[in-house]
Formats: sequence, structure tokens, C-alpha cells
Amino acid sequence: GAVVSQHPSRVICKSGTSVKIECRSLDFQATTMFWYRQFPKQSLMLMATSNEGSKATYEQGVEKDKFLINHASLTLSTLTVTSAHPEDSSFYICSAGNRGVGPRSQYFGPGTRLLVL
Amino acid sequence: AQTVTQSQPEMSVQEAETVTLSCTYDTSENNYYLFWYKQPPSRQMILVIRQEAYKQQNATENRFSVNFQKAAKSFSLKISDSQLGDTAMYFCAFMKQGTGNQFYFGTGTSLTVIP
Repeated sequence: GAVVSQHPSRVICKSGTSVKIECRSLDFQATTMFWYRQFPKQSLMLMATSNEGSKATYEQGVEKDKFLINHASLTLSTLTVTSAHPEDSSFYICSAGNRGVGPRSQYFGPGTRLLVL
Repeated sequence: AQTVTQSQPEMSVQEAETVTLSCTYDTSENNYYLFWYKQPPSRQMILVIRQEAYKQQNATENRFSVNFQKAAKSFSLKISDSQLGDTAMYFCAFMKQGTGNQFYFGTGTSLTVIP
């Protein structure tokens, strides 16, 4: 149980385009989802916390107009990188926090590798 | 604020040997959870082991065990009978109770198992 999917697994796009990444909890309801960014050989950096039906809470230094997060349902959150530039190239990971059923934790998606040319 | 420190950026161990990864944390909370996650080259985060702070007994999962010292705010991971598949980044994480599951991660330890 507690599976989180993420799509796409990798994407290459041209500078200036927008990219949407989907994160789904497949077998549980996630009232809270988290979006992380990870650079090679570094830890996960929390970008934002997404609560179903409300606006996301962004960490300091993360541009909310650049990284649009939508959490419209209990099983789906999306991250849109708007007007992507090469410096946005990175590995993006989502996770879903469970409530009620099972031990409290976060369950991680497999990640999305974004390359902006 | 909570901080998590992993003081060993890189470690190596011979196959079949035992290795211990260290983690310390700083918090004023009394109720919380601690985790060790493994991130292999595929970069999928895999839960290795979980410890509730209110439990005095150290958590164990097969070859993986922790030494949880609440007073010292220490949470080390011991891997016994190391296998090549244990080669990965290992992250220690802290989660307060009742905060919507937000994690605080350490900087990670890169473990290499040498054949």
C-alpha cells in the first residue's frame, strides 16, 4: 500500500515553455502533498506544501509564480514550472502525507528529471 | 526550528561487514518520529526504518537497526551484513507529531559497499 506515482519520469523542454508534473496517491487519500527539488548529491529541498482545496505554502526563496502548485483532489497534486529556464533543470520529487490509516509518514513518488535546454 | 545533522558525507564498507551511519537532531519537541530513507541510483526514496520517539525500544528491520538515544538526540543506523544493493544515499529525517507530516532532512550520507 501507500503508493505514489509521478508523471512524467523525465522531460526535456525548450527554454520559455511550461512543464506540468503530476503526483498521485494511488491507494490512499493525501490531504497534504509535498514538492521537493534535489540537486545531484544533495539532500531534498522542500519547495512547498500543498493542502487539498487550499493554496500551497511555499518555502522562503521559492517563487510561487514560477512554480505553480494545484491540489484539487485528495489524490492529485500538480507542479507547473512556468517559463522554464536552464537553471530550473533539476530532479523534482513529490510525496504524500497519510492520515488515519497506517503509520504517519510521507510516501515518495519516483521523481521527475527536468532538463531545460 | 528543527535541524538534522549527518556528519558523514561519505562512507564505505566491505561486503558482509557492519556499518553505522550517524544522525543527530535538535528539537524542543517531545513527541516526534524519526526515519532513515535510502535513495539508490534510481533516486526513488525508500523507507528503511521508522522510530517513534515515545518508544524506548530501538526499531529493527531485518539487517537494519537503529540506536535511538532520545536524551542525546541521536539516531544512528546500523547496517549488518552489508550487501552491494545497500550502496545508496541515506537520509535521516525528523517529523513532528501533528504537523501535517512535514519532514526535516539531513544532508545525507553516501554509502558504498565494496565487493
